[in-house]
Amino acid sequence: DTGVSQNPRHKITKRGQNVTFRCDPISEHNRLYWYRQTLGQGPEFLTYFQNEAQLEKSRLLSDRFSAERPKGSFSTLEIQRTEQGDSAMYLCASSLVGDNEQFFGPGTRLTVL
Amino acid sequence: DQQVKQNSPSLSVQEGRISILNCDYTNSMFDYFLWYKKYPAEGPTFLISISSIKDKNEDGRFTVFLNKSAKHLSLHIVPSQPGDSAVYFCAASGDYGGATNKLIFGTGTLLAVQP
Repeated sequence: DTGVSQNPRHKITKRGQNVTFRCDPISEHNRLYWYRQTLGQGPEFLTYFQNEAQLEKSRLLSDRFSAERPKGSFSTLEIQRTEQGDSAMYLCASSLVGDNEQFFGPGTRLTVL
Repeated sequence: DQQVKQNSPSLSVQEGRISILNCDYTNSMFDYFLWYKKYPAEGPTFLISISSIKDKNEDGRFTVFLNKSAKHLSLHIVPSQPGDSAVYFCAASGDYGGATNKLIFGTGTLLAVQP
């Protein structure tokens, strides 16, 4: 299967702990996006990479959030000092430069207790 | 500020009939529109898209119509099948100056196709 993969699929953590999620995009895709989806809402844009460069961050991405894509392949999203309001589905998507269609992974569901 | 709106949270249709899902947008900078389908516990799956230079795009049972003057698009599914039951998201992208192509999503419409 050469689709977008995300790990872990589920994460339960206690408030104040740090968590890290991983996304492996479709191999030839040079654009990678992170979105967050809460109940009853559509996905909301968090940040975007073209190759290894992080080119845009949403104002939703507080300073407790950091994302990396060190070699232009997989990406990690870290949340420090988690809060209950961080509970959501975190989605990763990838695309080719010039293509509008983004292909999503299955998501990581985060629950902060 | 909801730039992409799906005003119908849910829709129920009989198998074999047409399903029509609607979406409105406010930002005239949007130039590309997409529909995604989402099953529970899965990520959104790309369904069909349309550029703002067109008013219709068809792919099998799925057709998307775009009315730019009304800032409105719709997804038609004919004939509807029980396997089409899912949440459908409308999304839009545009040239924000940074060429991000980030997607702005609506809140989704839950489609239930009754056998």
